[in-house]
Amino acid sequence: SQTIHQWPATLVQPVGSPLSLECTVEGTSNPNLYWYRQAAGRGLQLLFYSVGIGQISSEVPQNLSASRPQDRQFILSSKKLLLSDSGFYLCAWGGQSNQPQHFGDGTRLSIL
Amino acid sequence: KNQVEQSPQSLIILEGKNCTLQCNYTVSPFSNLRWYKQDTGRGPVSLTIMTFSENTKSNGRYTATLDADTKQSSLHITASQLSDSASYICVVSASYNTDKLIFGTGTRLQVFP
Repeated sequence: SQTIHQWPATLVQPVGSPLSLECTVEGTSNPNLYWYRQAAGRGLQLLFYSVGIGQISSEVPQNLSASRPQDRQFILSSKKLLLSDSGFYLCAWGGQSNQPQHFGDGTRLSIL
Repeated sequence: KNQVEQSPQSLIILEGKNCTLQCNYTVSPFSNLRWYKQDTGRGPVSLTIMTFSENTKSNGRYTATLDADTKQSSLHITASQLSDSASYICVVSASYNTDKLIFGTGTRLQVFP
């Protein structure tokens, strides 16, 4: 069966520090991969999605970047975090268009 | 503008009671509608997914309905349990790009004993 792993579960970082969040998927090949951010009281916002190794689509201009160095690995990064980067970050994988996306358990990021 | 609106924003019910959550959308062209359950601090988990031709779909005590004409969906929970306490998120996919999902802000359900 397919599983998705995100780490760390929680992270506290100072403003201006770098960021690297990792997501890996097991049990499937060539999945579509997604990074979302969920702010309190708001719907999930798609940040990046990838349909293959090295292929990244960005949905919103921001301080973050994503990379997909391997088929089942998706990384969210920042060189300098801002206070506004605080939030709950979710990684997801999906296959066919009418199949549900499957989410990891998220990373709670707090910027101080 | 593609939007998904959910009501109520929050709901409190007693264990064993039924409840219905509402979702209205303006996404066009429509591809499918999904309901997710999200426990606090966890990622959303899929409950149902319905395409244009499906009016109802059940998953245990969860039953989702879809009226594509009025662009409305509901999620009915039967005989609620304490473990049903969570946020329920309605998500719509547009057929021009099914990778881009439009998320509602969710209904926060609390079930008390």
